[in-house]
Amino acid sequence: GAVVSQHPSWVICKSGTSVKIECRSLDFQATTMFWYRQFPKQSLMLMATSNEGSKATYEQGVEKDKFLINHASLTLSTLTVTSAHPEDSSFYICSARDPAGGPWDTQYFGPGTRLTVL
Amino acid sequence: AQTVTQSQPEMSVQEAETVTLSCTYDTSESNYYLFWYKQPPSRQMILVIRQEAYKQQNATENRFSVNFQKAAKSFSLKISDSQLGDTAMYFCAFMKGVSQGNLIFGKGTKLSVKP
Repeated sequence: GAVVSQHPSWVICKSGTSVKIECRSLDFQATTMFWYRQFPKQSLMLMATSNEGSKATYEQGVEKDKFLINHASLTLSTLTVTSAHPEDSSFYICSARDPAGGPWDTQYFGPGTRLTVL
Repeated sequence: AQTVTQSQPEMSVQEAETVTLSCTYDTSESNYYLFWYKQPPSRQMILVIRQEAYKQQNATENRFSVNFQKAAKSFSLKISDSQLGDTAMYFCAFMKGVSQGNLIFGKGTKLSVKP
């Protein structure tokens, strides 16, 4: 099946700094990527939908100026957490939609990035 | 708005036995897709099984099968011959239409398979 990678897998940063997380589709072109956030022992919550070449669509309650999303190419989307605070500590997961996936419109998930803000 | 409800936060099953995880959803859409995802301790999301709403036949993937009751808006997952490697969080998910793409997840059920 298709592979989606994320980098880094784990990052620790100081409060007030910015952190960039990359999401790459390795063997397919993803016109749409999704960013989810998962708190410990909780479900995945959609943060934003990232479309190549256009602005991301953010879910209600997600600060677009804090969570900057750039989908500059068909294989790469980045999430930048700006001025990170301890409450931003979480597990961030991306997924990519393979438009050639047929009627299933399959989403492939990355392995996730654990962010710890000190 | 669509919602997905998993009413069993935790379940356990003995190895080789069968277990059923429950999921209900609410939607006014006529065209949608339902999924079960598995998240093991590695936290990598793995697609277990999927169902098209317009298909009456229940989906089956090896030891995994679903009981899809469209009128009742129920989508339960049955795992037969449970294996230790089935231990994971299981999330039920809803997707509206073919082109919408984004998934709405339930809160998950933690399944423990005991030897």
